[in-house]
Amino acid sequence: DQQVKQNSPSLSVQEGRISILNCDYTNSMFDYFLWYKKYPAEGPTFLISISSIKDKNEDGRFTVFLNKSAKHLSLHIVPSQPGDSAVYFCAASGTGNQFYFGTGTSLTVIP
Amino acid sequence: GAVVSQHPSRVICKSGTSVKIECRSLDFQATTMFWYRQFPKKSLMLMATSNEGSKATYEQGVEKDKFLINHASLTLSTLTVTSAHPEDSSFYICSARRGFPEGTIYFGEGSWLTVV
Repeated sequence: DQQVKQNSPSLSVQEGRISILNCDYTNSMFDYFLWYKKYPAEGPTFLISISSIKDKNEDGRFTVFLNKSAKHLSLHIVPSQPGDSAVYFCAASGTGNQFYFGTGTSLTVIP
Repeated sequence: GAVVSQHPSRVICKSGTSVKIECRSLDFQATTMFWYRQFPKKSLMLMATSNEGSKATYEQGVEKDKFLINHASLTLSTLTVTSAHPEDSSFYICSARRGFPEGTIYFGEGSWLTVV
């Protein structure tokens, strides 16, 4: 049963605009969340994280928002660049070290 | 630069043989490492948690006798796919947490296994 869901398998955005990637989770015990970026045939690259004590974390062009009541998090990329084109995974963790991943959203930034 | 290194990046083996994939944390010690498998058009699925000096913890549905995990040192975990079959062909990725309890998780580059 998928505990972390990314309901949009793909997203296309014009260069310079904002990309918003969404992620929903079902387990209320999750308290730590991450976003990863993945190019084909490569391992995921860590982007940004957020713990449940916060509702926002910002790092350069990347901002992650967490809505605990809705069990929803989102990644905002602004401005979007063609090099941002990749598959983005969200992941969640509760007690212990295991992370559960969403199915990914393929972002295409159009020049 | 990479902080978690995985080797080999690509490997082809014959059905029935075994193949070993290594995962190393390069500049930190990792008491716990994780092994994932990615199926086509699907998410990364956690296979097992590798614990230094003790037995690995396998996720439900993962055959522990088929996917042997050894975590012999604080910087090295290995995944051995035994008696490989074509359906074991996949992209295997390891990860390690740098710092506990909320250290960043770093992933290896991944290993493409093709069983022919």
